[in-house]
Amino acid sequence: NAGVTQTPKFRVLKTGQSMTLLCAQDMNHEYMYWYRQDPGMGLRLIHYSVGEGTTAKGEVPDGYNVSRLKKQNFLLGLESAAPSQTSVYFCASEPTGGNTEAFFGQGTRLTVV
Amino acid sequence: QQQVKQSPQSLIVQKGGISIINCAYENTAFDYFPWYQQFPGKGPALLIAIRPDVSEKKEGRFTISFNKSAKQFSLHIMDSQPGDSATYFCAASKDSGNTPLVFGKGTRLSVIA
Repeated sequence: NAGVTQTPKFRVLKTGQSMTLLCAQDMNHEYMYWYRQDPGMGLRLIHYSVGEGTTAKGEVPDGYNVSRLKKQNFLLGLESAAPSQTSVYFCASEPTGGNTEAFFGQGTRLTVV
Repeated sequence: QQQVKQSPQSLIVQKGGISIINCAYENTAFDYFPWYQQFPGKGPALLIAIRPDVSEKKEGRFTISFNKSAKQFSLHIMDSQPGDSATYFCAASKDSGNTPLVFGKGTRLSVIA
């Protein structure tokens, strides 16, 4: 009973490097989300998807790209990492949007030096 | 513009006491109001949620009070226990879907013996 799985759990990047965070859900949910969590800032939405092949910008999309080629996977890419992207990243999924229980992954702690 | 304002930022409560966390929202179209609980190193998890057709919802020691005219809702934790120590997030969205949850900035609750 995996739920929402994020890979990797920890990562240190040098400024300018690129990386992809993977989110996988096994609940056949339509909606998936990427949030970042910073001290005192709460959970801020980066990008989200309302179904396979769709993506949309959230509150803080700059510097990130996403793809949802398969329903169960939602990828978050950083093309050129910056220290301001040091954060804890959470993926979440929902059966439908905004009015049902969102299931979160365990988070990815990313440090950009 | 912060759509959901949460207070206080941190809260210390004696064991057995009542913890109260407040949230206020701007968008009158919001009609789904969940609370999420997050333990250190974990992703948030749904605790309790309310829709505006009722003014109060209780699940065990956790109660949401909702005031539609004031555009406010609050979480009450009765008989607070050290195991309740966590970060709590209020959120809001439109029940009609297609709209991601908007989160408050969170409240770090510490219950001390």
